[in-house]
Amino acid sequence: DAKTTQPNSMESNEEEPVHLPCNHSTISGTDYIHWYRQLPSQGPEYVIHGLTSNVNNRMASLAIAEDRKSSTLILHRATLRDAAVYYCILREGMNRDDKIIFGKGTRLHILP
Amino acid sequence: DAGITQSPRHKVTETGTPVTLRCHQTENHRYMYWYRQDPGHGLRLIHYSYGVKDTDKGEVSDGYSVSRSKTEDFLLTLESATSSQTSVYFCAISAEGGGFGGNTIYFGEGSWLTVV
Repeated sequence: DAKTTQPNSMESNEEEPVHLPCNHSTISGTDYIHWYRQLPSQGPEYVIHGLTSNVNNRMASLAIAEDRKSSTLILHRATLRDAAVYYCILREGMNRDDKIIFGKGTRLHILP
Repeated sequence: DAGITQSPRHKVTETGTPVTLRCHQTENHRYMYWYRQDPGHGLRLIHYSYGVKDTDKGEVSDGYSVSRSKTEDFLLTLESATSSQTSVYFCAISAEGGGFGGNTIYFGEGSWLTVV
């Protein structure tokens, strides 16, 4: 089973910020938090990842709770092209056996 | 873009026939994965590999087998295709290294398989 919990769907208005939540209450100290998104008819693509500190890149920001049991992907100014399914996953950083489980993700709808 | 090629990209086959999907990478990454995606189920892990000849089962491995005889190729075989295996199949790769939990996962473009 996926180690993360996300809402099934969310809606946001174009040009407004979007906060996508993810719960991972069983996270271990060596787990990295990754976010990927999948546009229609495409393979998933990397968005951002982090371990303990908040992270920023050109696509998004990742805010990680102090206890690391939850995180939030922030799209600062949503566009119609951001409509996609967003997946939050955990990657264990120490095991040779790197089994990566995705959940169902959050389908983000952007309203013009 | 990561060098991942899936083949075939689209295939229609009959129930009971064997089918092999190929994932080829040019990145020399250690880890390779096969997922299937169906409406309402998200991405589900079928099999994965953490090195040549090192493979393991995922969440939905029944009816599928895999082989990895060299770093660059990961083959997914449906020994006797069934209609329930109609799906989109995605291959993914990832590097190893110290603290490799932080390494990016790269996905292929998908293989659309229809079993009639």
